[in-house]
Amino acid sequence: EAGVTQFPSHSVIEKGQTVTLRCDPISGHDNLYWYRRVMGKEIKFLLHFVKESKQDESGMPNNRFLAERTGGTYSTLKVQPAELEDSGVYFCASSYGTPNTGELFFGEGSRLTVL
Amino acid sequence: GQNIDQPTEMTATEGAIVQINCTYQTSGFNGLFWYQQHAGEAPTFLSYNVLDGLEEKGRFSSFLSRSKGYSYLLLKELQMKDSASYLCAVRDPTGANNLFFGTGTRLTVIP
Repeated sequence: EAGVTQFPSHSVIEKGQTVTLRCDPISGHDNLYWYRRVMGKEIKFLLHFVKESKQDESGMPNNRFLAERTGGTYSTLKVQPAELEDSGVYFCASSYGTPNTGELFFGEGSRLTVL
Repeated sequence: GQNIDQPTEMTATEGAIVQINCTYQTSGFNGLFWYQQHAGEAPTFLSYNVLDGLEEKGRFSSFLSRSKGYSYLLLKELQMKDSASYLCAVRDPTGANNLFFGTGTRLTVIP
């Protein structure tokens, strides 16, 4: 079974440019999450989709970030315009329903470097 | 807010036992997780505790005391491949399914 896949694995852009990160969750997982790890800090929650609906976007830093999950399958996270402080590793995770363990399956992350 | 503390780095010897502690201060409690993350790879699930006590899974065990806001991950018979970051995370106490992470403990296993 394929795991959570993310693309690109690494992106280097200049301040002011736009970047779109993609996440393909495990097939059949209704729940999809975006997390971010800024250098030296903890992994922080950004938002949660249930199918195509945003269940919780309380962690989104500001309106330069836009997440979509059209059709309830893959998701994209767009940063426009990118700022220096947006650099970090963006993790996507998915889970099936709301299992008792709440186990999230993570992707390997997309490393974003804003110069 | 949620506050989760764990040591930044630890070093242990191959074949030994190591205990990685995690303390948390949260507005409620809805489960605690340990994840392992090798450099450049995805965090992978190790254990889940929601009730007090010890959960054992092979060489790894995890303990929880809800009254003390404390958990530890115990790794026995350490192997070189256990060198990784170990992330303590608590589930959002509001009942949502997202996690609040600590900064992680980077464990180095030496021969």
